[in-house]
Amino acid sequence: KQEVTQIPAALSVPEGENLVLNCSFTDSAIYNLQWFRQDPGKGLTSLLLIQSSQREQTSGRLNASLDKSSGRSTLYIAASQPGDSATYLCAVRGGKLIFGQGTELSVKP
Amino acid sequence: NAGVMQNPRHLVRRRGQEARLRCSPMKGHSHVYWYRQLPEEGLKFMVYLQKENIIDESGMPKERFSAEFPKEGPSILRIQQVVRGDSAAYFCASSPAGAPYEQYFGPGTRLTVT
Repeated sequence: KQEVTQIPAALSVPEGENLVLNCSFTDSAIYNLQWFRQDPGKGLTSLLLIQSSQREQTSGRLNASLDKSSGRSTLYIAASQPGDSATYLCAVRGGKLIFGQGTELSVKP
Repeated sequence: NAGVMQNPRHLVRRRGQEARLRCSPMKGHSHVYWYRQLPEEGLKFMVYLQKENIIDESGMPKERFSAEFPKEGPSILRIQQVVRGDSAAYFCASSPAGAPYEQYFGPGTRLTVT
């Protein structure tokens, strides 16, 4: 049974800092891994999708890596801004999407 | 192109009542997925539907919960005889046919059972 874990559960950083969010999964038989952003009271916004054959994806200040063999992914956020404050969710797809519990990020001005 | 729409955004029900949650997929999308986010827990898959068909309901509780996606109109998630433990945020996502990894999420319906 696939389990997805995200560490840390919460993170508070000053503006401008680079940061890394971690995601681990127990079953390496996945099609892809996706990072989402969830703002309070809002739905989910897809940030990056990494296919199982890929090692990383980049979008602006965001970079996500995938190491399928070790069951790990990281989301790197460069030069963080207060607008980055949100909950970040990692999800892996075997058949269906399995989500981690998220990392709540707060970027202080 | 409007995104995935869910209504109501907030729903309050007393124990024993029925809750109906609606999801209108993005234009051109024929696949709908429902997820539930319980307090302090991650999102969990409930059910995957295509028009007039349930494809995967492995995440649905065995009793009181049902879902449909009729040929016309929105997808409906129905919870009968609600209990306090049903209080959660229910999210709907839609995808185009043949691209289940392209799921677009709605804003969610927050159900509170009093």
